[in-house]
Amino acid sequence: DSGVTQTPKHLITATGQRVTLRCSPRSGDLSVYWYQQSLDQGLQFLIQYYNGEERAKGNILERFSAQQFPDLHSELNLSSLELGDSALYFCASSPEAGELFFGEGSRLTVL
Amino acid sequence: AQRVTQPEKLLSVFKGAPVELKCNYSYSGSPELFWYVQYSRQRLQLLLRHISRESIKGFTADLNKGETSFHLKKPFAQEEDSAMYYCALRRANFGNEKLTFGTGTRLTIIP
Repeated sequence: DSGVTQTPKHLITATGQRVTLRCSPRSGDLSVYWYQQSLDQGLQFLIQYYNGEERAKGNILERFSAQQFPDLHSELNLSSLELGDSALYFCASSPEAGELFFGEGSRLTVL
Repeated sequence: AQRVTQPEKLLSVFKGAPVELKCNYSYSGSPELFWYVQYSRQRLQLLLRHISRESIKGFTADLNKGETSFHLKKPFAQEEDSAMYYCALRRANFGNEKLTFGTGTRLTIIP
């Protein structure tokens, strides 16, 4: 077990709604990364936080936002949801200059 | 910009036959390359990291800077190798940087 935990595992919601995905990194890891995995798109980098501060931003939509809290857990907020936002959202954490350890993902279905 | 290309979406190989999953990258600087694997219903996990030069589960990968490739190889495929494989890159010596992933190759081992 890599130690990265994500909740919820599955989420079904309607278009226009807002959801929050939660990630708890491995103990001691300061970096948290969010990725989106949709069909034929592979893993698309969304955003990275390091010790509470935004470190890097990828192709994250303006409707999406994230933050990392003082206890290092992170939340990804997705608002005004569209059908195309249906995907698997992965969180990963890493130690300094180390490999990324992934959570099991949160599968979002927008109907 | 960094880019990772995995030209094969699907690859089927007979058990006992050699396996080669292709990965090419585009980055003008010094890269750090990884292979991640995702077995059915499991999270993404690191298989190989080029700087460690290890052989994991019989797999090896050599970084070829001249051809900008990091192909994954195994001499004799086993049924348990069936999984999704992702090649990933990040800039070397840039600490906790995000990984850029390819779109993945689904490997199926035929008994």
